[in-house]
Amino acid sequence: EVQLVESGGVVVQPGGSLRLSCAASGFTFDDYAMHWVRQAPGKGLEWVSLISWDGGSTYYADSVKGRFTISRDNSKNSLYLQMNSLRAEDTALYYCAKDKGGNTYIDYWGQGTLVTVSS
Amino acid sequence: QLVLTQSPSASASLGASVKLTCTLSSGHSSYAIAWHQQQPEKGPRYLMKLNSDGSHSKGDGIPDRFSGSSSGAERYLTISSLQSEDEADYYCQTWGTGSWVFGGGTKLTVL
Repeated sequence: EVQLVESGGVVVQPGGSLRLSCAASGFTFDDYAMHWVRQAPGKGLEWVSLISWDGGSTYYADSVKGRFTISRDNSKNSLYLQMNSLRAEDTALYYCAKDKGGNTYIDYWGQGTLVTVSS
Repeated sequence: QLVLTQSPSASASLGASVKLTCTLSSGHSSYAIAWHQQQPEKGPRYLMKLNSDGSHSKGDGIPDRFSGSSSGAERYLTISSLQSEDEADYYCQTWGTGSWVFGGGTKLTVL
């Protein structure tokens, strides 16, 4: 059974930094690209970032480019999102998600971790 | 620009059928999409991948009541024999070169 468990969400001040983690199990982690997707309170889903299976390619939404960094450690079956220069509009539930294959669509989701940016 | 458009809301009666629509932006009518369901206070769940020819492949454990179809730039999700647990937000998702996009979501109310 595929499981994705996010952690690291907290309350942080504007301008601060935070690192989210996602522990993956139930599939061969290093065979698949991985996504981060976020959902602001009461809003829809917003794609944030993707990292290829080997970490060699990364992609970002314009809203986070230059501030967020996605990474992975295949030896630990873990995905990360380093978030810098946080803004109030980054407040959201952040989901880790598995790519189906070929950097296409999401076929499994985690339960999310809440990041609140507030002074 | 790759954009997905969904109606904000839909409603149908218990036991009836409903068809939700996701529209691809101009120039992208051949793109496949994925449908996802988000029940209240839960994380999203993948439902199916839907191709431009209407063929689709569903996720693990998705009931036969959920089906997909396509026409031009429109991608549809049909839910038959509606149950109370189908009341949820439904999102379509697609992908291009270096970009991944979600529609704004449709909130389905089961009356």
